[in-house]
Amino acid sequence: EIVLTQSPGTLSLSPGERATLSCRASQSVSSSYLAWYQQKPGQAPRLLIYGASTRATGFPDRFSGSGSGTDFTLTISRLEPEDFAVYYCQQYGSSPPVTFGQGTRLEIK
Amino acid sequence: QVQLQESGPGLVKPSETLSLTCTVSGGSISSYYWSWIRQPPGKGLEWVGYIYYTGSTNYNPSLKSRVTISVDTSKSQFSLKLSSVTAADTAVYYCAKFARRGSGYYFDYWGQGTLVTVSS
Repeated sequence: EIVLTQSPGTLSLSPGERATLSCRASQSVSSSYLAWYQQKPGQAPRLLIYGASTRATGFPDRFSGSGSGTDFTLTISRLEPEDFAVYYCQQYGSSPPVTFGQGTRLEIK
Repeated sequence: QVQLQESGPGLVKPSETLSLTCTVSGGSISSYYWSWIRQPPGKGLEWVGYIYYTGSTNYNPSLKSRVTISVDTSKSQFSLKLSSVTAADTAVYYCAKFARRGSGYYFDYWGQGTLVTVSS
């Protein structure tokens, strides 16, 4: 099983600051199989990044994804108030074919 | 725009079977994969399993002995059954479309989720 470990667990930042969220895999993951989701309270997760670096429809270019192998990063260049949420990474691979990271909570400082 | 809607009982007794249905609208259920994902209150996401429109399935090994996912293309629905439930199965259950493309493998459309509580 590929375990995804996200860090930090909670990130406290102010609007306008840069956020860097990490997702580390216990085994190498194809970049095609790494996605990120944004979840706000009381809502379903929303696809944010797929293929490690492709932004999903509706998200501005302040969101970017990067990485390969076992280390992946989600960067939000300048935080807006609506960006404060929980972010999950997800991989597709060996059994089980789908796993999620435990999430990073991005909160307003 | 694909839309998904979960339906089913919000309360299930311990040892009984949880049953949920997801109705797909705004697009065809054919030619795609469909999945169930759950989230215990205040916790992270757990993949339950997915089904191809042909009926081929893949389940999370941790739940495999208790899970059945089925599809009814004529009704544009797919369903989840989870047997012998305990309080640990209390969660918001989401249905989602699982995109498997050259550009990646990801959940691109989600239902709003339905809370299922296991309690006597």
